Amino acid sequence: KAGVTQTPRYLIKTRGQQVTLSCSPISGHRSVSWYQQTPGQGLQFLFEYFSETQRNKGNFPGRFSGRQFSNSRSEMNVSTLELGDSALYLCASRDRQSNSPLHFGNGTRLTVT
Amino acid sequence: QKEVEQDPGPLSVPEGAIVSLNCTYSNSAFQYFMWYRQYSRKGPELLMYTYSSGNKEDGRFTAQVDKSSKYISLFIRDSQPSDSATYLCAMSGPRRRDDKIIFGKGTRLHILP
Repeated sequence: KAGVTQTPRYLIKTRGQQVTLSCSPISGHRSVSWYQQTPGQGLQFLFEYFSETQRNKGNFPGRFSGRQFSNSRSEMNVSTLELGDSALYLCASRDRQSNSPLHFGNGTRLTVT
Repeated sequence: QKEVEQDPGPLSVPEGAIVSLNCTYSNSAFQYFMWYRQYSRKGPELLMYTYSSGNKEDGRFTAQVDKSSKYISLFIRDSQPSDSATYLCAMSGPRRRDDKIIFGKGTRLHILP
């Protein structure tokens, strides 16, 4: 089975812009979670989508949003970018019905200048 | 008190040594415990997945959970330079599908040839 695929791998944006990141989960996985990883804060949970509905949400401002499509692919959007949004954004999928663990993609490295 | 505490390291050990990595947690409701390995520029990769207390062994890796002490460990036997990476512990509660998965900040491990 192919793993979790995230595109693009690297992005450079300027403050005030917006960005959209994409994630394709493992085939058959209907749950997709997004995490932000920074050296200081570690992995912080953004949100989880299952069957096109947001099921869980972390403590991030409304500038961070996401959605999931009927084929389970997911996108994450960050509007009005700030310097502090520079991070590795990781997507993970799992078989939520069986409470399987998360399987991660290799992330999108976002740099805001 | 943070929900999950993990010493960030770095931890440097000679090749062939036994490595012990640990996490403590405060939420007694956690029942699912995971260890992930993350290489530079890659996403976290699942190493071990355990439920409740006890030990689980997989090759050179042993995961140990002590719920009474709220303490989990990962042991690596016969450590190799290829084990050099960041190790993240993660855990979630008993409500299976609906619980968020909480991560430690990771321990950087260096195996010296």
